[in-house]
Amino acid sequence: EVQLVESGGGLVQPGGSLRLSCAASGFTFSSKWMHWVRQAPGKGLVWVSRINSDGSIITYADSVKGRFTISRDNAKNTLYLEMNSLRVEDTAVYYCARDRVASTYDYWGQGTLVTVSS
Amino acid sequence: DIQMTQSPSSLSASVGDRVTISCRASQSISSYLHWYQHKPGKAPQLLIYSASNLQSGVPSRFSGSGSGTDFTLTISSLQPEDFATYYCQQSYSTPFTFGPGTKVDIK
Repeated sequence: EVQLVESGGGLVQPGGSLRLSCAASGFTFSSKWMHWVRQAPGKGLVWVSRINSDGSIITYADSVKGRFTISRDNAKNTLYLEMNSLRVEDTAVYYCARDRVASTYDYWGQGTLVTVSS
Repeated sequence: DIQMTQSPSSLSASVGDRVTISCRASQSISSYLHWYQHKPGKAPQLLIYSASNLQSGVPSRFSGSGSGTDFTLTISSLQPEDFATYYCQQSYSTPFTFGPGTKVDIK
């Protein structure tokens, strides 16, 4: 059974940092592109970043470029999102999602809440 | 960036109703259009990929159509478990954008 479990969310002050993790199981993690998608409170889904199977191709939304870093450890079956210089507007539930093909997301985690507030 | 719009933004319907949700892209995206169902506190679920292909395990009452800029999600007979928010998403080009969502609630 495919499972994606996010962790690492929490309360952080503006300007602070946080690292999210997404532990994957039930499939060959090293063969799949992976994505982060977020949802601010009361708002819709917003794509954040993607990484290819070996980590050599990475893309970011403009809103996080230069502040967030996506990475993966295929030996640990884990996806990461390093978030720096956090802003109030980064407050959201962050989901990791598996890329079925052509950036369609067939499995999602339950999400981890990041709150940026003073 | 490709902008996605959805209509209506919300609708009220009864069990057994036929429901249609529209999604429009600001430029042609061929068939790179996908539909998701999202319930509060749950992980989003892929319903339809590439405009008209039913994801494995999704009930056949869900269907999708369209290409280019105009797309439709249809629920042929609404069931109690279908009350949720529905999003379209384009994967034609980055940033991969979602529509604002259509909330389907009980009439």
